[in-house]
Amino acid sequence: DTEVTQTPKHLVMGMTNKKSLKCEQHMGHRAMYWYKQKAKKPPELMFVYSYEKLSINESVPSRFSPECPNSSLLNLHLHALQPEDSALYLCASSQEIGRIYEQYFGPGTRLTVT
Amino acid sequence: SQQGEEDPQALSIQEGENATMNCSYKTSINNLQWYRQNSGRGLVHLILIRSNEREKHSGRLRVTLDTSKKSSSLLITASRAADTASYFCATFDRGSTLGRLYFGRGTQLTVWP
Repeated sequence: DTEVTQTPKHLVMGMTNKKSLKCEQHMGHRAMYWYKQKAKKPPELMFVYSYEKLSINESVPSRFSPECPNSSLLNLHLHALQPEDSALYLCASSQEIGRIYEQYFGPGTRLTVT
Repeated sequence: SQQGEEDPQALSIQEGENATMNCSYKTSINNLQWYRQNSGRGLVHLILIRSNEREKHSGRLRVTLDTSKKSSSLLITASRAADTASYFCATFDRGSTLGRLYFGRGTQLTVWP
């Protein structure tokens, strides 16, 4: 199984809502990532977890809160978002953090903030 | 910026033709990877070339790496309509925080049947 799954596929939320994005992999990977991607732009790294510990936080606003409950799951909790946060949110995993490992991406969650 | 830059930004060809995309980067790298993204979908890893390799093949894909020029190229031979997608190069540079992959801006490839 080389699949990374993400739910939901689409999410529309108001600026006062609280919602969560979920990501799951069963490849035994110990590194997991959240990216944000705007239209016609490359993915931008948000967070990296290694062995369920937050390894990298790319100065992301606190209205985005990541969580890694176990080695297979990664959540992104959303609260008080702004319209400019509308984007495709991609989850990825790799065997470990390291310069030789490819990353496996999920299909993404298309988020619209109204 | 440590991001790579792809050239061209957009490429439109007929089925059966070859497509060549180039990537330039700024720092010393450990490896360079190419990813494909179909519209609005996740990225798919295509190929990884290490800094000590000069050329690598995978099916219809051929990747070259010239570390002296800090550039790489991706060649897709005998293209198909299904190859229509955005293609990104991505690098781990030697000085980066582990896990931080730098993506280029991407080339949008359109293959017409």
